[in-house]
Amino acid sequence: GAGVSQSPRYKVAKRGQDVALRCDPISGHVSLFWYQQALGQGPEFLTYFQNEAQLDKSGLPSDRFFAERPEGSVSTLKIQRTQQEDSAVYLCASSWKQGQPNTGELFFGEGSRLTVL
Amino acid sequence: AQRVTQPEKLLSVFKGAPVELKCNYSYSGSPELFWYVQYSRQRLQLLLRHISRESIKGFTADLNKGETSFHLKKPFAQEEDSAMYYCALSGRAGNNRKLIWGLGTSLAVNP
Repeated sequence: GAGVSQSPRYKVAKRGQDVALRCDPISGHVSLFWYQQALGQGPEFLTYFQNEAQLDKSGLPSDRFFAERPEGSVSTLKIQRTQQEDSAVYLCASSWKQGQPNTGELFFGEGSRLTVL
Repeated sequence: AQRVTQPEKLLSVFKGAPVELKCNYSYSGSPELFWYVQYSRQRLQLLLRHISRESIKGFTADLNKGETSFHLKKPFAQEEDSAMYYCALSGRAGNNRKLIWGLGTSLAVNP
């Protein structure tokens, strides 16, 4: 597709369940970011990939959060043993086509809304 | 500390009135500033960047380094401008352009 695609769009989990959120970035984009957006807040940085390398995971709130991008394209954000405070919209964004200047513009998916009961 | 402050959670104006969405920042170094917009039921998208110094949909924003501000302005608001607006900054060095975001301002343009 032409844009960033995320799935599922909505996920309800019971506390303690594991969840996996998928992001399919724009084809050819080098950079991939995950953000967490709680209700009424701005997005908060979670992690950054350059191709398959996870270069920055400083925003991951705990070791229950894990992200991967094994082939430098699709990425998965996994949350283990979900807690109520994990309820948020998880945004994926990609940018920077190889061979072109890195303008810093991010292209966002529609987000995955996670509700932990 | 690196921070973006948008002091207004909600801004309500009438169609045709001027609008200014405020953004102040704190950053050690030379940041790049952005405005992103989210229309109802749509994804976040870039509105404008300070580096490009362009006007998009009638909006402009000037980086004021002395006041560390990057306010978004439009002389005559339109109903279709109603949306959530986020100010964000990133460092310029390297390729990890992770953004620091404000809380957002919800703009309502009334007929």
